[in-house]
Amino acid sequence: GAVVSQHPSRVICKSGTSVKIECRSLDFQATTMFWYRQFPKQSLMLMATSNEGSKATYEQGVEKDKFLINHASLTLSTLTVTSAHPEDSSFYICSARDGASGSYEQFFGPGTRLTVL
Amino acid sequence: AQTVTQSQPEMSVQEAETVTLSCTYDTSESDYYLFWYKQPPSRQMILVIRQEAYKQQNATENRFSVNFQKAAKSFSLKISDSQLGDAAMYFCAYRSRSNDYKLSFGAGTTVTVRA
Repeated sequence: GAVVSQHPSRVICKSGTSVKIECRSLDFQATTMFWYRQFPKQSLMLMATSNEGSKATYEQGVEKDKFLINHASLTLSTLTVTSAHPEDSSFYICSARDGASGSYEQFFGPGTRLTVL
Repeated sequence: AQTVTQSQPEMSVQEAETVTLSCTYDTSESDYYLFWYKQPPSRQMILVIRQEAYKQQNATENRFSVNFQKAAKSFSLKISDSQLGDAAMYFCAYRSRSNDYKLSFGAGTTVTVRA
């Protein structure tokens, strides 16, 4: 089955620093990737959609300068949290869609827990 | 954006018994997809079952089945013969037939299975 990995699984950083989270599709080409944010015991909130080779589309209320998304290849998308603050602490999940297969399904990564001190 | 409502924050079920999770949604579209995802303590999202709106037949995957009522905009999930491994948070999700492939999730229902 299709596998999506995320790295790192956990990261702790100091306030004011930037953190990069990688999302990789391991056995398929991900034409579209999605980034979600999830607070404890809450639902997934879509942050942005990225298509390979083009700029990400951000959901309303998500600061594009704060959450930089790059989808430079068909197997890798990155989310960079710039100048992180404690309120950015959350669980970040990516998902990817295999455009070549025409599949309806999104395949989810295992998530990254970000803690900003 | 479409609204997905899960009105049951928590549900508890005895092992081997059946539990039904409710989900309603709001849309003006006639064709769309509906999904149930499971998120166990590991936080890995797992697709449980999907339903295409144009199909009248309710989807079934082993012990998991749905009751899709299109006119009522209702999409409930039934877990039969509940097992300890079914304990997780369950999310109902909606996806338009359009090309954006975005998922709208409900708030989730935490299922506890009693041994």
